[in-house]
Amino acid sequence: GENVEQHPSTLSVQEGDSAVIKCTYSDSASNYFPWYKQELGKGPQLIIDIRSNVGEKKDQRIAVTLNKTAKHFSLHITETQPEDSAVYFCAASIRSGFQKLVFGTGTRLLVSP
Amino acid sequence: EAGVTQFPSHSVIEKGQTVTLRCDPISGHDNLYWYRRVMGKEIKFLLHFVKESKQDESGMPNNRFLAERTGGTYSTLKVQPAELEDSGVYFCASSQGPGNTEAFFGQGTRLTVV
Repeated sequence: GENVEQHPSTLSVQEGDSAVIKCTYSDSASNYFPWYKQELGKGPQLIIDIRSNVGEKKDQRIAVTLNKTAKHFSLHITETQPEDSAVYFCAASIRSGFQKLVFGTGTRLLVSP
Repeated sequence: EAGVTQFPSHSVIEKGQTVTLRCDPISGHDNLYWYRRVMGKEIKFLLHFVKESKQDESGMPNNRFLAERTGGTYSTLKVQPAELEDSGVYFCASSQGPGNTEAFFGQGTRLTVV
């Protein structure tokens, strides 16, 4: 079955710096890759996603890149702010019609003022 | 519009006891998913309902776990009898369409088995 590895497990940056979180997946049939942000006491919230027919997607300060050949995808956050501090999860799924997501282990991002 | 709600938010029970978690999906969402995060590891899929039918329960760890969604509205996840390794955060999510739409997560239920 699908396996998703995520690195780093923790990431500390200064406000204004960029942050990059990387994930690799094992199943070449996976074709949908969402990223979730989980703040303290809340459930995971979708922040950006990418499908396998796209190499890069950007939404304001966040972007995701996908390398299908290498089977890895990354989340890039530019101009980080303290409110970006949270746990970020990558996930992968085969979108045959249902969102059976396989998640990475999460990255705790801390943005210091 | 109310989001996905779960309760209780926290539950502490003794090994061998029974616990029932509840999830109320967003109104009109046919798809309901249960996930679990154990000991800071990855969030793992447990099962998926389409309306009241179990579409995929391949992630259910064993027969101590029973999920129901009577009437296709709210869902319950019962653990009986609970074991120490069942401790973790249980998330529920729901989505509207046949799958190609965003799944919205609830805040989770933190279960501690002592």
